[in-house]
Amino acid sequence: DIQMIQSPSSLSASVGDRVTITCQASQDISDSLHWYQQKPGKAPKLLIHDASNLETGVPSRFSGSGSGTDFSFTISSLQAEDIATYYCQQYDNLPITFGQGTRLEIK
Amino acid sequence: QAQLVQSGGELKKPGASVKVSCKASGYTFTDYGISWVRQAPGQGLEWMGWISPYNGDTDYVQKFQGRVTMTTDSSTNTVNMELRTLKSDDTAVYYCAIPSRRHWAFDIWGQGTMVTVSS
Repeated sequence: DIQMIQSPSSLSASVGDRVTITCQASQDISDSLHWYQQKPGKAPKLLIHDASNLETGVPSRFSGSGSGTDFSFTISSLQAEDIATYYCQQYDNLPITFGQGTRLEIK
Repeated sequence: QAQLVQSGGELKKPGASVKVSCKASGYTFTDYGISWVRQAPGQGLEWMGWISPYNGDTDYVQKFQGRVTMTTDSSTNTVNMELRTLKSDDTAVYYCAIPSRRHWAFDIWGQGTMVTVSS
């Protein structure tokens, strides 16, 4: 199975800050990676598909990049409503696997 | 628009079985495979496997092989996930999800079903 290592596991930042989360795959997965946001008590929400493509309706402050084994997810200017846990997910090989999540808090 | 509605929460004893249902609406039922993802309290997301409502094909994560069965009922546009021989660490929220636009990108999710395993 492909392991997805996300870092950091938690992050505290101020409104307006630029925030970056990284995800590393245990093998080359090309651009077969999606990013999700999950708020407490809710199902995950797809934000970015195929490493760098913003889902329709998702604010442009969210972005993703990377290919191969190293990926990043960035919020260019953190807003209070962005408080959530973020997950990467690979689909290059089944089984689908997720990163362990990054919990984002407001400082 | 596409929607997935799951059955209600369950409380089960260790060793028992649980069946969680996921009713699809707003799209052609056979168009998308339905995956099951679970999340233990305070933990991350874990993909369990998927079923094709088109032909009933399944693919289960090895960890759950022999304990999980996913079935589809096209007469009611419902997918069921049965997990047997429950243990306390099966306590989790179970989600069904579909990728309606992108390959394996889960953009439609059920509301989640809490399964609690406790004696």
